[in-house]
Amino acid sequence: AQTVTQSQPEMSVQEAETVTLSCTYDTSESDYYLFWYKQPPSRQMILVIRQEAYKQQNATENRFSVNFQKAAKSFSLKISDSQLGDAAMYFCAYREGAQKLVFGQGTRLTINP
Amino acid sequence: DTGVSQDPRHKITKRGQNVTFRCDPISEHNRLYWYRQTLGQGPEFLTYFQNEAQLEKSRLLSDRFSAERPKGSFSTLEIQRTEQGDSAMYLCASSSGLAGANTGELFFGEGSRLTVL
Repeated sequence: AQTVTQSQPEMSVQEAETVTLSCTYDTSESDYYLFWYKQPPSRQMILVIRQEAYKQQNATENRFSVNFQKAAKSFSLKISDSQLGDAAMYFCAYREGAQKLVFGQGTRLTINP
Repeated sequence: DTGVSQDPRHKITKRGQNVTFRCDPISEHNRLYWYRQTLGQGPEFLTYFQNEAQLEKSRLLSDRFSAERPKGSFSTLEIQRTEQGDSAMYLCASSSGLAGANTGELFFGEGSRLTVL
C-alpha cells in the first residue's frame, strides 16, 4: 500500500519569510500525481499545488512551489513571502491512476506576525 | 456556488443510534469519495463511487457503515449502531473522470462532524 509521511507535525514562520514543508511517499509506480492541500481551521480542504510524476519541472503557483525529487520519493512545499492567511493544516497527498488520494498526517503551519 | 455540499454540518448522537450524512457533489463530477478525518490526522479513505457504482471500499468501512449513490448524483453515508470511536469529521469529495477534465484533483466539501456521546 502507498504511504505518505509528513515528519513535521508543526511548523512556524515569521510573516514575509519562507518556509518549507516536507513530504515523502512510498510507491512502486512510475506514473502518479502528488498534491498539497490546505485545510484552514473549520474550513474545507482546498488544493494548493499539483505535480504529475512524469513532469520533471517542479510545479509553481504564485508564492507556492514544490521540490519534486522522484528518485528520492520526496515532495516538499515551499511557501515564499508567508502571509497570515497561509496559517492552516497542510496535507501532502498521493494519487495513483484514477483512484483515491492517500494523505499524510499533516503539518500545522503557524504564521507569526 | 456549485461546490460540494454536505449535510448536516454537525451531528451529536447517543451511542447506539443510527446517523446518515448526505453529500451533493459538483454537478458534472461523476466520481464521489468519502473520507474520515479524526482530530489532528489526515483524511482516511472510506469508499469511492463512479456514477452509481461503488468501486472500492476501505477495510475501515465496517459492516455498520453503508454508502449509496443511487442515481449517480448525491450520496449518503449511514452509520448504524454508532460507537464513540465513530466520532470524526466525515468528508465528501468529488472529481471529474472525463478525459481532458481529469486533473487528478479532488474537490472537498466542508465535512459533517459527528460526535457520539
